[in-house]
Amino acid sequence: EAEVAQSPRYKITEKSQAVAFWCDPISGHATLYWYRQILGQGPELLVQFQDESVVDDSQLPKDRFSAERLKGVDSTLKIQPAELGDSAMYLCASSLGARSYEQYFGPGTRLTVT
Amino acid sequence: AQSVTQLDSQVPVFEEAPVELRCNYSSSVSVYLFWYVQYPNQGLQLLLKYLSGSTLVKGINGFEAEFNKSQTSFHLRKPSVHISDTAEYFCAVMPTGFNKFYFGSGTKLNVKP
Repeated sequence: EAEVAQSPRYKITEKSQAVAFWCDPISGHATLYWYRQILGQGPELLVQFQDESVVDDSQLPKDRFSAERLKGVDSTLKIQPAELGDSAMYLCASSLGARSYEQYFGPGTRLTVT
Repeated sequence: AQSVTQLDSQVPVFEEAPVELRCNYSSSVSVYLFWYVQYPNQGLQLLLKYLSGSTLVKGINGFEAEFNKSQTSFHLRKPSVHISDTAEYFCAVMPTGFNKFYFGSGTKLNVKP
């Protein structure tokens, strides 16, 4: 069964450092999502891609976060500089298209900022 | 605007007992409704969804949920839980026509032997 891949699974970094996460969606899925899940809360959408274009980044803290999906396949989410409040699980999900209500989630990257 | 409320942050239950996890939502437009399960340090797995039609929806692992439009609720139920059901459960809504989830804060189900 096809799955969404994410790496690394765990990341510990010091505040003010840069950190990056990688996501490889299910093959053929045009839409890719990055979510942030703070401990004790539900996931919150950070950015949504349709192919290589950003269609929603209204909740992305653009002063320190950036995301790209250059070839419309895999994607990278970067934080620079990291802050203590960025400690969270970062989830990637994909779906066939923008009108597809079914999203498939990866295992996530657990980020701890010290 | 959309919001999802899961009033119970934790639900302890004994093995083989029935369980209900509550979900209420608020939305100015019609929505699709979902329940996801998350095991420790893993991503979310879809349990079931309501799009239209019958208000009683059956999902994987013996779970079911009932959509109640008048009460704007979508409670999740299982008649007999197993130890393996111990996980966190998230209710989510998606406004129809918009491919964006709004999640509740989650309910941790702890099944005791």
